[in-house]
Amino acid sequence: QVTLKESGPVLVKPTETLTLTCTVSGFSLSNARMGVSWIRQPPGKALEWLAHIFSNDEKSYSTSLKSRLTISKDTSKSQVVLTMTNMDPVDTATYYCARIRWEDTAMVTFDYWGQGTLVTVSS
Amino acid sequence: QSALTQPASVSGSPGQSITISCTGTSSDVGGYNYVSWYQQHPGKAPKLMIYEVSNRPSGVSNRFSGSKSGNTASLTISGLQAEDEADYYCSSYTSSSCWVFGGGTKLTVL
Repeated sequence: QVTLKESGPVLVKPTETLTLTCTVSGFSLSNARMGVSWIRQPPGKALEWLAHIFSNDEKSYSTSLKSRLTISKDTSKSQVVLTMTNMDPVDTATYYCARIRWEDTAMVTFDYWGQGTLVTVSS
Repeated sequence: QSALTQPASVSGSPGQSITISCTGTSSDVGGYNYVSWYQQHPGKAPKLMIYEVSNRPSGVSNRFSGSKSGNTASLTISGLQAEDEADYYCSSYTSSSCWVFGGGTKLTVL
């Protein structure tokens, strides 16, 4: 059974750095056919893709947020970590991690999602 | 990378069919067959409904179908049911090796 679960602080202050962890089960982060993305959704607003990490440790970032984001993984712990620096109230959102799976030549995008974690940025 | 363009809202009566459009550019929707659609009920995580333009994951009703023409992808829901009322988002892989979502469409079943 595939599951993803986000964890991290509920509240961060402006200018602080946010660190979120996505713990996965039911698949391996070393599997060449798997990758994990972070996606966020401000209250009442649309989804926004943030970053992705592939099994070979290659990374991809949102062009608008690239300077503030770092994604990494610890395969032995089955965890993907996202850090976002210089947090601002506009970064208040539910943060999700989601899996991408490659099946033969097909890319199955975001087939499993975590439950999401709401992060509020406020002093 | 700009968000893909979706109508803010669509509506239909039970049993009818509706279509939600998702317009991008040749650098995303038009350039790749990596368009996906997600259904999101209030307070819940999104659920994958369509991947690679027209493929349905196991367990998704065949009332959901996807297509693409040029820079615009579409999601069609036939035989509308009350449980289909939700927000729907499209996404696409892009030439920048990123992914981009649409602004979301609220489906109301009248």
